[in-house]
Amino acid sequence: QVQLQESGPGLVKPSETLSLTCTVSGDSISGSYWSWIRQPAGKELEWIGRIYNNEHTNYNPSLKSRVTMSLDTSKNQFSLNLNSVTAADTAIYYCARGSTTSPTHPWFGPWGQGTRVTVFS
Amino acid sequence: QTVVTQEPSFSVSPGGTVTLTCGLSSGSVSSSYNPSWYQQTPGQAPRTLIYSTNSRSSGVPDRFSGSIVGKRAALTITGAQADDECDYYCVLYMGNGTWVFGGGTKLTVL
Repeated sequence: QVQLQESGPGLVKPSETLSLTCTVSGDSISGSYWSWIRQPAGKELEWIGRIYNNEHTNYNPSLKSRVTMSLDTSKNQFSLNLNSVTAADTAIYYCARGSTTSPTHPWFGPWGQGTRVTVFS
Repeated sequence: QTVVTQEPSFSVSPGGTVTLTCGLSSGSVSSSYNPSWYQQTPGQAPRTLIYSTNSRSSGVPDRFSGSIVGKRAALTITGAQADDECDYYCVLYMGNGTWVFGGGTKLTVL
């Protein structure tokens, strides 16, 4: 059973970089797409981006200039860096497997439990 | 950026049938958008219900079904139960490896 767990600071100061890690257990992160998705309190989900094998990344165009994702296969983890944060980046951040348009995994899931990040000075 | 639209809220009677939809601010949704649907209860991570328009995720009861209705993707819930009361999100593939979630529908069972 694949499980995901987010980790990282719960508080980030404005203009600094938000850094989160997702640890995957139960399967190798190689050969799959892995995404970050966030949700401000009381609002909808927002796809941030995905990474595949440290070779391919796709980012939400509205966040692309501030986002970097990476994979560490030795630790079976993938990471999110979001720079120049503002209060608008305050949200619950989820990591999830997927998604892809191929038949292998055309959905987001499983999901991590989410980690709350507050941008606060 | 294209906006994915969902009904903000919907209500259904216990035992009734409800169809939630997912559309585009411009254009029609087809299976090539790979619509998938997620259920989210308060304080919890989303749960996958439907993927690839109409495939049910493992463990999801057959009360939940997906389809394309007209120009929109649709999630139909039959025999609505009290614990179906929560938020439902669709997500569509927009090309170039990018995905966009809808604004979500808050379903009330009463």
